[in-house]
Amino acid sequence: QVQLQESGPGLVKPSQTLSLTCTVSGGSISSGGYYWSWIRQHPGKGLEWIGYIYYSGSTYYNPSLKSRVTISVDTSKNQFSLKLSSVTAADTAVYYCASQKQQLVHEYFQHWGQGTLVTVSS
Amino acid sequence: SSELTQDPAVSVALGQTVRITCQGDSLRSYYASWYQQKPGQAPVLVIYGKNNRPSGIPDRFSGSSSGNTASLTITGAQAEDEADYYCNSRDSSGNHLGVVFGGGTKLTVL
Repeated sequence: QVQLQESGPGLVKPSQTLSLTCTVSGGSISSGGYYWSWIRQHPGKGLEWIGYIYYSGSTYYNPSLKSRVTISVDTSKNQFSLKLSSVTAADTAVYYCASQKQQLVHEYFQHWGQGTLVTVSS
Repeated sequence: SSELTQDPAVSVALGQTVRITCQGDSLRSYYASWYQQKPGQAPVLVIYGKNNRPSGIPDRFSGSSSGNTASLTITGAQAEDEADYYCNSRDSSGNHLGVVFGGGTKLTVL
């Protein structure tokens, strides 16, 4: 069973870069069966997809965040990472990593990390 | 980008059947997936594709689709089904590579 675990600072100062890592266990990122995504949830709000990466390094980002987002993968460590630059209080959210199946007419997030709260504050 | 619209809140009496809907143009081309989220927990996939349940999801959960509307039906709702439910699908705008989520429906079991 694939498991995911987010890690990174819980507090980031405004204008700085938010950095999170997701460690995958129970399966290999390099297997090619999944895309690997970041999703966030503002306090008391709904889910917002941030972007995904394939093991090859191909990425796709939410157009609304594209200018500030970088997702990268380290297959040797079975990890993928999120960087979000120039953060403001509006980026305060619970950040989830997830495995994503993207097939012909199907799109779903099968496995989720437990989520990590990142607060942007000075 | 595409949008998916859900009713903010729905209620159901214990043991009765409830349908939670998700509307959007992308659903004319792509199936919706459904997630259950309880307070303080990560979302859990409950339905994907035409009507597929991951292992461990009770068979009282089912999915269907017609036109631009996808539905999640809980037949015989239980107290433990009280949660927020989100739909998602591929974004059918642009190059069809993105993802879109609905705003979520809070289900109350009375």
